[in-house]
Amino acid sequence: SYVLTQPPSVSVAPGKTATIPCGGNNIRNKNVHWYQQKPGRAPVLVIYYNHDRPSGIPERFSGSNSGNTATLTISRVEAGDEADYYCQVWDGSNLHVVFGGGTKLTVL
Amino acid sequence: EVQLVESGGGLVQRGGSLRLSCEASGFTFNSYSMDWVRQAPGKGLEWLSYISSSSSIIYYADSVKGRFTISRDNAKNSLYLQMNSLRDEDTAVYYCARDYGGSGNGFDPWGQGTLVTVSS
Repeated sequence: SYVLTQPPSVSVAPGKTATIPCGGNNIRNKNVHWYQQKPGRAPVLVIYYNHDRPSGIPERFSGSNSGNTATLTISRVEAGDEADYYCQVWDGSNLHVVFGGGTKLTVL
Repeated sequence: EVQLVESGGGLVQRGGSLRLSCEASGFTFNSYSMDWVRQAPGKGLEWLSYISSSSSIIYYADSVKGRFTISRDNAKNSLYLQMNSLRDEDTAVYYCARDYGGSGNGFDPWGQGTLVTVSS
C-alpha cells in the first residue's frame, strides 16, 4: 500500500517560514491535501489539490508537489499556527485514502 | 453554515456493537460523497470508509473491512457507521467528513468527533 512519510516535528521562530515535507513514491503524480489539527479539535483542510486554499485560509499557507515530496509552507509563522499537520492522498491502486503520520509544528 | 454533527459514541464492551450517526446541514448532502476517519488517543488520523453520493460505491480500510458498515440516508441528510465485533484498538475519536473534492480528494468540513471506548 502507498505510504506517506512526515517528520514527527518541526520547529520555527515567529515570523519565519515553516516547511513541512510529505514524502511518497512519485507523489508528484497524486493530489495532496493538507490538514491542520489543534489540540482537542477536529482537523481543518488548509490546502487541497496540492496548492489550492479553501476560503478563509490565510495566504500565508501554500503547498507544492514535485518528485517524491510534497511540501506545506507557512510564511510569517504565528503562535496560532502551532498544531499538528497531516498530508493526505487518494491511493487509486488500492482504493484507499492515505494519511501521513503527522508533523507537530512548534513555534519557538 | 456547513456543519456535520456526529453522535452515538460511548463505552462498549469488547466484541460489542455500536452505530454512529452524522447529521449534515448547510449543504446539498446528496451531492457529496462522505467518509469516516478516526483518531486513537495520542495517535494520527486513520481513514476508515468512503461512500459515494448515491451509495453505489463504498470502500473500506483493511482494518475494519468485514466488521464496519458505512451507509447513508439522503432523505435524512445522515451518514452512518455500524461497528460490530469491536476490539480494544477501535478505541478512538470518530469523525465524519464531507469528501470535498470527491474520491478522497480533500475532506471539508469535519464533524466535531464522537468518542468510542472499547473496554473489557
